[in-house]
Amino acid sequence: DADVTQTPRNRITKTGKRIMLECSQTKGHDRMYWYRQDPGLGLRLIYYSFDVKDINKGEISDGYSVSRQAQAKFSLSLESAIPNQTALYFCATSEPSGGMYNEQFFGPGTRLTVL
Amino acid sequence: KNEVEQSPQNLTAQEGEFITINCSYSVGISALHWLQQHPGGGIVSLFMLSSGKKKHGRLIATINIQEKHSSLHITASHPRDSAVYICAALGGGGGSNYKLTFGKGTLLTVNP
Repeated sequence: DADVTQTPRNRITKTGKRIMLECSQTKGHDRMYWYRQDPGLGLRLIYYSFDVKDINKGEISDGYSVSRQAQAKFSLSLESAIPNQTALYFCATSEPSGGMYNEQFFGPGTRLTVL
Repeated sequence: KNEVEQSPQNLTAQEGEFITINCSYSVGISALHWLQQHPGGGIVSLFMLSSGKKKHGRLIATINIQEKHSSLHITASHPRDSAVYICAALGGGGGSNYKLTFGKGTLLTVNP
C-alpha cells in the first residue's frame, strides 16, 4: 500500500465550484505539504503544516485553504475554483527538523481541471 | 529568477549511454534532493545528500557544496529511465530547513 495517498486522482470541475483534495499518510510523519505543479514553472508550495495545530501559508496560498484533521490527514480546499487553478497538485510528508530527515515523500498527485 | 537551475532542460539518449544531469543553486542549503517524475505524474524520491556522493543501482548523485553544484548520473541508461528529473534545494537551516526550492526539471528520453 502507498504511504501517501491522494483523492481524487483526477477531477474536472467548473468555475465557482468548491473543491476539496484530500491527502492521507501512513508514514507517521508530523510535517505535511501541499504543492502545485504547472508546466514550465516547477513545483510551488501552497501550504504546509508541522503538526495538527501548526498550519502555515506557502508562496502561493491565495485562493486556497487547508485543514489538518489529524496527524495523518491534510486537506486542500479551493473555495471558488477558477481556471488558472488548473494544475497537478501534490501532497508530501517529512519527518520533523534534523538534517537528513527532512527528505520529503510525495503522493501520486491530483490532476485538477477547472473549466 | 529561479534559485535552482537545471541543465539540460531536455535530453535524448540512446539505450546504454551514460547520462549526466546538472543542478546549480544560488541559495545556502542544508541538503539537495533529487526526484524522479514519470509520465503518469507521480514523484519518487531518489536521493537526498548534503555532501560527497551517493549511489543506488545505476544512479549516482554527487554534490559540491563549495561550488553549489550537484549532478545526477545514470549509467547504462535504459528506456525505463525516461522521466523528468527534478532537483530541489533544502533550506539552509534555522526556520527554513523544511523549505524545498525546486528546479524546473530535466526531461530525459532514452530510446531503445
